[in-house]
Amino acid sequence: DAGVTQSPTHLIKTRGQQVTLRCSPKSGHDTVSWYQQALGQGPQFIFQYYEEEERQRGNFPDRFSGHQFPNYSSELNVNALLLGDSALYLCASSTGNRHSPLHFGNGTRLTVT
Amino acid sequence: GQNIDQPTEMTATEGAIVQINCTYQTSGFNGLFWYQQHAGEAPTFLSYNVLDGLEEKGRFSSFLSRSKGYSYLLLKELQMKDSASYLCAVRGNSGYSTLTFGKGTMLLVSP
Repeated sequence: DAGVTQSPTHLIKTRGQQVTLRCSPKSGHDTVSWYQQALGQGPQFIFQYYEEEERQRGNFPDRFSGHQFPNYSSELNVNALLLGDSALYLCASSTGNRHSPLHFGNGTRLTVT
Repeated sequence: GQNIDQPTEMTATEGAIVQINCTYQTSGFNGLFWYQQHAGEAPTFLSYNVLDGLEEKGRFSSFLSRSKGYSYLLLKELQMKDSASYLCAVRGNSGYSTLTFGKGTMLLVSP
């Protein structure tokens, strides 16, 4: 039973460019959340997708957008990259049950130069 | 909003017991989670508390006091592989599964 998978594992981009990160949830999970984790910090909530809609959003600018597909996989898009966007981007899936834990993928390490 | 505090770093010796504290101030509460994260890896789920009291799972236990906004993670019989960051996370009352994380406590276990 595959867990949460993310691609790519590492990415280097230049300021101003755009990036797309991808996530496949754990089997049986229908809810996908994205988190940004800076070095030495805890994960910060970006947004959550359920039934192909953005259901909740954290304090991130509109440069951060996402999508969920009918098979529950998801993409995170970041436009006009800034140096400060360099971080580990984590995807987490869950069943949507408020008592169920989030299951995380290994993340995509994004470096903006 | 949510505010979660935990110590930045802790050190302990192999075989010992360590307690990692977490205090939180939230506008709503629907559970507290502890995750372990090794460097460069994904956070992995350790424990969940929604009612007051102690939850035990092998060498790991977690305690919650909702009235005090306080939790701790207790690690017994420490092993070198327990060296990792430990993240405290709170689920609010939005009805969704979103978690708000603390900054994490880096635990270093020495021989």
